[in-house]
Amino acid sequence: AQKITQTQPGMFVQEKEAVTLDCTYDTSDPSYGLFWYKQPSSGEMIFLIYQGSYDQQNATEGRYSLNFQKARKSANLVISASQLGDSAMYFCAMREPFSSGSARQLTFGSGTQLTVLP
Amino acid sequence: ETGVTQSPTHLIKTRGQQVTLRCSSQSGHNTVSWYQQALGQGPQFIFQYYREEENGRGNFPPRFSGLQFPNYSSELNVNALELDDSALYLCASSLEFSGAPRLNYGYTFGSGTRLTVV
Repeated sequence: AQKITQTQPGMFVQEKEAVTLDCTYDTSDPSYGLFWYKQPSSGEMIFLIYQGSYDQQNATEGRYSLNFQKARKSANLVISASQLGDSAMYFCAMREPFSSGSARQLTFGSGTQLTVLP
Repeated sequence: ETGVTQSPTHLIKTRGQQVTLRCSSQSGHNTVSWYQQALGQGPQFIFQYYREEENGRGNFPPRFSGLQFPNYSSELNVNALELDDSALYLCASSLEFSGAPRLNYGYTFGSGTRLTVV
């Protein structure tokens, strides 16, 4: 069963505008962590933001914020004031506790290719 | 502090051959995870090494094997290569403590090794 779903294969945004990348997840464990990574064409996974399932507030990191809706099991990434350098693949990922048998791995979605237009 | 270094960056092998990929973990990290990323997909967890032992494994056959060395660097070995093994192989290091799995510890990813099997 797919645990992370990213329904937007590709997104376009005008430079300096905000964009939201969608992510829904599935888990029965009350304790989990959600991550967003950026992958430019070079291949490296760059950590952007983290949200814990028990965190009371939505996570923010500079221009990145996470719209965490626990009841809906969604963790959308919002990028404000898009820049040309934001053009990349974006992945949502989840980690469940080791006790669930998931061996401390990250489970990734299929990604969203974001293109920022000048 | 140095990041995660992977070698080689690109590799072409023939079906049936064996390949070894290498990863130097970030300074201060003691755990290495390997991921396979097929073209257009999200990374898939292969296995993780902690204290020189395999600490968890994804849905990959035994011909995928690994090692971790005392300096925490790691190797991924793939025997009897198949065409479907063509992918970007990502290494990620992290700092973990046994008995206290944290959900928000950060992974540092390398830029990957792009393997092509012909």
